[in-house]
Amino acid sequence: DQQVKQNSPSLSVQEGRISILNCDYTNSMFDYFLWYKKYPAEGPTFLISISSIKDKNEDGRFTVFLNKSAKHLSLHIVPSQPGDSAVYFCAASVVSYSGAGSYQLTFGKGTKLSVIP
Amino acid sequence: SQTIHQWPATLVQPVGSPLSLECTVEGTSNPNLYWYRQAAGRGLQLLFYSVGIGQISSEVPQNLSASRPQDRQFILSSKKLLLSDSGFYLCAWSEDQGQPQHFGDGTRLSIL
Repeated sequence: DQQVKQNSPSLSVQEGRISILNCDYTNSMFDYFLWYKKYPAEGPTFLISISSIKDKNEDGRFTVFLNKSAKHLSLHIVPSQPGDSAVYFCAASVVSYSGAGSYQLTFGKGTKLSVIP
Repeated sequence: SQTIHQWPATLVQPVGSPLSLECTVEGTSNPNLYWYRQAAGRGLQLLFYSVGIGQISSEVPQNLSASRPQDRQFILSSKKLLLSDSGFYLCAWSEDQGQPQHFGDGTRLSIL
């Protein structure tokens, strides 16, 4: 059972335009969400996170939106740059729970973003 | 700034051989440490985590074990590798529960 889903395996965007990456989750216990970027032959790099008490978090060109009722989050990159081309992973965890499961990050399968110059 | 080192980057081992993967973190004290595995076509699965020296928690039963002999050192081991141990192994650290986890560059393990 896939608790975190990224339904678009790939996305192409023109340089300078907005990239919107989407993520859906099924576990209503998730209360902390993260986005990671991954280049080939490297580990995932943390980009931005959001707690379930917020609906938006912004860091430079990156903004994450959370819609708890829809169990949906999205990452907006504005403006998109060729260096943003990578695989983006959505991840979620339950930090309010003090048990062993609270250390687990559950990842989606990723969306490959290509920013075209 | 904090850095995480994981080695080797790739490893090819025969079935039944032992395994030792090492991960070290610099620039922080008493981090939480994690070992993840990604099998072919599957997502990242948490194998072990540690909140302190000598404290290891296992998320799934398996042929692997972990140890934390020093504050910023995390080792993944096996006495006898199985074909099913093949995969991409990632080490990560975080300052605390509920904080972002930061990953190393991973080890691609192939079992022959």
